[in-house]
Amino acid sequence: NAGVTQTPKFQVLKTGQSMTLQCAQDMNHNSMYWYRQDPGMGLRLIYYSASEGTTDKGEVPNGYNVSRLNKREFSLRLESAAPSQTSVYFCASSATSGVDEQFFGPGTRLTVL
Amino acid sequence: GDSVTQMEGPVTLSEEAFLTINCTYTATGYPSLFWYVQYPGEGLQLLLKATKADDKGSNKGFEATYRKETTSFHLEKGSVQVSDSAVYFCALKHSNYQLIWGAGTKLIIKP
Repeated sequence: NAGVTQTPKFQVLKTGQSMTLQCAQDMNHNSMYWYRQDPGMGLRLIYYSASEGTTDKGEVPNGYNVSRLNKREFSLRLESAAPSQTSVYFCASSATSGVDEQFFGPGTRLTVL
Repeated sequence: GDSVTQMEGPVTLSEEAFLTINCTYTATGYPSLFWYVQYPGEGLQLLLKATKADDKGSNKGFEATYRKETTSFHLEKGSVQVSDSAVYFCALKHSNYQLIWGAGTKLIIKP
């Protein structure tokens, strides 16, 4: 049981490049989330998917797109990376979108030059 | 809007010391409250939670009590170990989808 997995673990991009962060969970959870973590700011929600086939914006969606490919997978895409998107990105999942515990992946450290 | 405020870190303690990390919140209604822990190089994991006023969450020797009168959810542990060194996040959640996070408090335990 791997839980929540994320790829890649590290990535360096140049300004304007695009990339997709992958996330998968094997817990049969309905809800999935993408966060970014910046120093001194806690976690901020980028996008979430309450259930397969739905996605919604979180607190900081600008510059990002998401795809809920199936129940297991939820990807985050940066179409044109900017230095302000340098951050650590976490994917999480929960059984439902209520008050259930969220389970986190190990994170992707992204640097945009 | 809803918010969570944590004490600034880092908090540095000696092994076996008593730990308190303060957390206060601003929210309408009756949110659920959480403490998550992030060990170096890892993702966050739930440490404990409380879903209603006066509930006490506990796990791994850590405790926190949901105090509605003071809008607080302070994290405590009677005797910390080096292995408790991590970043601790307080968070709240209503029945909607979003967790509201504090900024995190880094805890350093020296042997």
